[in-house]
Amino acid sequence: GEDVEQSLFLSVREGDSSVINCTYTDSSSTYLYWYKQEPGAGLQLLTYIFSNMDMKQDQRLTVLLNKKDKHLSLRIADTQTGDSAIYFCAENKNQGGKLIFGQGTELSVKP
Amino acid sequence: GAVVSQHPSRVICKSGTSVKIECRSLDFQATTMFWYRQFPKKSLMLMATSNEGSKATYEQGVEKDKFLINHASLTLSTLTVTSAHPEDSSFYICSARDIWTGSADTQYFGPGTRLTVL
Repeated sequence: GEDVEQSLFLSVREGDSSVINCTYTDSSSTYLYWYKQEPGAGLQLLTYIFSNMDMKQDQRLTVLLNKKDKHLSLRIADTQTGDSAIYFCAENKNQGGKLIFGQGTELSVKP
Repeated sequence: GAVVSQHPSRVICKSGTSVKIECRSLDFQATTMFWYRQFPKKSLMLMATSNEGSKATYEQGVEKDKFLINHASLTLSTLTVTSAHPEDSSFYICSARDIWTGSADTQYFGPGTRLTVL
């Protein structure tokens, strides 16, 4: 199977919280990342978490890492229509910086 | 900081011609850059790892003679699609690895190049 897995779609209402989940397989990964991609654009680094951390908060974004279950989540508080995009999680497999990406979760925010 | 540019953003070419795409890290030095290909509604497929001053490392199934990569300086890597065919039409994205600034080993991505081969 895939190294990194995500659900493909998530739909929320404006103002609600969004939670995007990701599972990975390599417990030796040192960093895990969340990227955002808007239509026709490249990937924007949103945040990252070091593998020895459980949680990281950055304004509206909260990343939770459960290393035992190899589960990563991204919570977006007070989701806005501008948050509509595809969100990719990625793990750094310590192979010269190579990243392994999930399939991406398409977040749709309805007014 | 940590800006990566790509040029051109869009290119349309005839079948059989070659196309060069540039990737530049604007405010940091990148000893390693990566080239990805992305199909519609799909994840990124890593094509190759480009190291400054040495040969690129290609992923399995990627033809190195078709996708030529040159990493001539710490801020510039180029991808040349040689003898392009319609099946090479895709969205190509580069990234640059930054291990010097900040506290993490991070990749910053360019805005992508949409290649259409007629």
